[in-house]
Amino acid sequence: SQQGEEDPQALSIQEGENATMNCSYKTSINNLQWYRQNSGRGLVHLILIRSNEREKHSGRLRVTLDTSKKSSSLLITASRAADTASYFCATDAGPLGNQGGKLIFGQGTELSVKP
Amino acid sequence: DAGVIQSPRHEVTEMGQEVTLRCKPISGHNSLFWYRQTMMRGLELLIYFNNNVPIDDSGMPEDRFSAKMPNASFSTLKIQPSEPRDSAVYFCASSFWGTGQPQHFGDGTRLSIL
Repeated sequence: SQQGEEDPQALSIQEGENATMNCSYKTSINNLQWYRQNSGRGLVHLILIRSNEREKHSGRLRVTLDTSKKSSSLLITASRAADTASYFCATDAGPLGNQGGKLIFGQGTELSVKP
Repeated sequence: DAGVIQSPRHEVTEMGQEVTLRCKPISGHNSLFWYRQTMMRGLELLIYFNNNVPIDDSGMPEDRFSAKMPNASFSTLKIQPSEPRDSAVYFCASSFWGTGQPQHFGDGTRLSIL
């Protein structure tokens, strides 16, 4: 069963605008990760936020985590056409020290950035 | 650095045939994951290994699917006999063992069963 549910399923914006994607999950987690997938390629890791963190930044990416609401958001600022891709959240819910980092992926948000 | 390498990139075969997908993980990684991606079901974890040992195969859909990891640098996913509903993109990913480790994905094998 899917752990993460993402919202929206698809998002279309203009270059320069910000894009926000949301992820909700059901169980307690150790960390939550965001991945990006370009058409016809494998997933690429973007950023990881641990359960005891509330916000994290990496370049134009900002991730927030609210464990009380079991939700996370990914913000891409000043979007570019090259940001067009699918974005997935993935939860690591295994017991600490066990499970080897098994991830459960959401269904993804398809982002289209128009030049 | 070479990433995760999967072969073949595309496979088209007839129903009932045996299909073998191959994966070479990143050197030094000791965890390997096989996923299947479809429009209907999204990205599903099929099986994963640690130090070449299968840890969790609860995602393998049925006995027609099997996976092996004979050494640290090679893994196979086999479907025998194949069925049209097995058509999907199959991904292999590798990482270091432990929570909080990012997974590195190959570019997948697009499998079509006619």
